[in-house]
Amino acid sequence: EPEVTQTPSHQVTQMGQEVILRCVPISNHLYFYWYRQILGQKVEFLVSFYNNEISEKSEIFDDQFSVERPDGSNFTLKIRSTKLEDSAMYFCASTEESGRVNTQYFGPGTRLTVL
Amino acid sequence: SQQGEEDPQALSIQEGENATMNCSYKTSINNLQWYRQNSGRGLVHLILIRSNEREKHSGRLRVTLDTSKKSSSLLITASRAADTASYFCATSLNSGYALNFGKGTSLLVTP
Repeated sequence: EPEVTQTPSHQVTQMGQEVILRCVPISNHLYFYWYRQILGQKVEFLVSFYNNEISEKSEIFDDQFSVERPDGSNFTLKIRSTKLEDSAMYFCASTEESGRVNTQYFGPGTRLTVL
Repeated sequence: SQQGEEDPQALSIQEGENATMNCSYKTSINNLQWYRQNSGRGLVHLILIRSNEREKHSGRLRVTLDTSKKSSSLLITASRAADTASYFCATSLNSGYALNFGKGTSLLVTP
């Protein structure tokens, strides 16, 4: 069964450094998402991406965040200058198409630890 | 906010018993989804119910949706130790839009 994959599974970085989290959505899916989950808290929406542009973003997704689909398969989240509070699990998700109700399928997540 | 909020926060039952978790939300939705998360792992989709549906079944899962009360319930019948996980409801205004997750119910099923 097709699945969303994410790399790396765990990323440790120093405060102020840039990180890029990578995702490979399910191949025929058209909508892509990033969510995060701070330890012990609920899953929070960051951004959605469709047709090579951001379709929706939350207040969390400020100027230090950016997303990109550099090729036909990868979808990346970049955090320009990491802060301690960026430590969280980051989940990528994808869904087949808009216009009808579709399930969002989540990847296994990348655990980001900012020291 | 259209966030879903689950209750109870934690539920402990024995194998073979049924587990019921509830979710309430605040605004109109297009669909509501239930996800499971094992400790420190990813989110596994369980079931999706549309706003014009009242009940849906999938294996040992039964989901109900009451849009007039803005609430949903997830019933797991004949629970197993492997059902131990956190369960989240997530609401969406429409397909392609953000999912808004609740805080989850932590289910413990003991042998």
